[in-house]
Amino acid sequence: QVQLVSSGAEVKKPGASVKVSCKASGYTFTSLYVHWVRQAPGQGFEWMGVINLSGGSTTYAQKFQGRVTVTWDTSSNTVYMELSSLRSEDTAVYYCASVFSGTYYFDDWGQGTLVTVSS
Amino acid sequence: QSALTQPRSVSGSPGQSVTISCTGTSSDVGGYNYVSWYQQHPGKAPKLMIYDVSKRPSGVPDRFSGSKSGSSASLTISGLQAEDEADYYCCSYAGNFCRVFGGGTKLTVL
Repeated sequence: QVQLVSSGAEVKKPGASVKVSCKASGYTFTSLYVHWVRQAPGQGFEWMGVINLSGGSTTYAQKFQGRVTVTWDTSSNTVYMELSSLRSEDTAVYYCASVFSGTYYFDDWGQGTLVTVSS
Repeated sequence: QSALTQPRSVSGSPGQSVTISCTGTSSDVGGYNYVSWYQQHPGKAPKLMIYDVSKRPSGVPDRFSGSKSGSSASLTISGLQAEDEADYYCCSYAGNFCRVFGGGTKLTVL
């Protein structure tokens, strides 16, 4: 089982960027993908992107291409998701979730990070 | 990719059974046996309840079961308990990852 611990809540102004972290522990990372999924208040889930911890390759949802960057710091076992050019519609809880190679479901989730975009 | 279709809400009394549907297309639900279901209590992170259409992770009660027919998947909860009251979301593999979600179903235990 993978433990994922997310960073704390953030408040940002429109146009700014936010960088959310997700510290992973509990398993070998060579066969792990970490996804980012967000949930706006009272809404469902929206998949944003994924990073393969074996090699660092990324895939992003078309909607967020050019605005989102997911990175992996091997020294601290932490995955980062940076979202730029924030607007009010980006107000949401941002979750990281783990998927093992060869499987197609989210095993474990971080507790989520609330990002509020407000002037 | 369009979201999968789920009923907005379902309800049942303790001890009864309820079924939540998740309808997609041949490009997602209908094309692969990789539908998963997640339970989310208010203010909490989602929890995996069913994966690969009908498999249960360890620790999930066998009251929870999943199935699929064509482009529709279903989650059935039998012997409803008060703690089952939550939101439920389906997700389907769509040629790359599990990245197409349903809109969510609010389960109320009467």
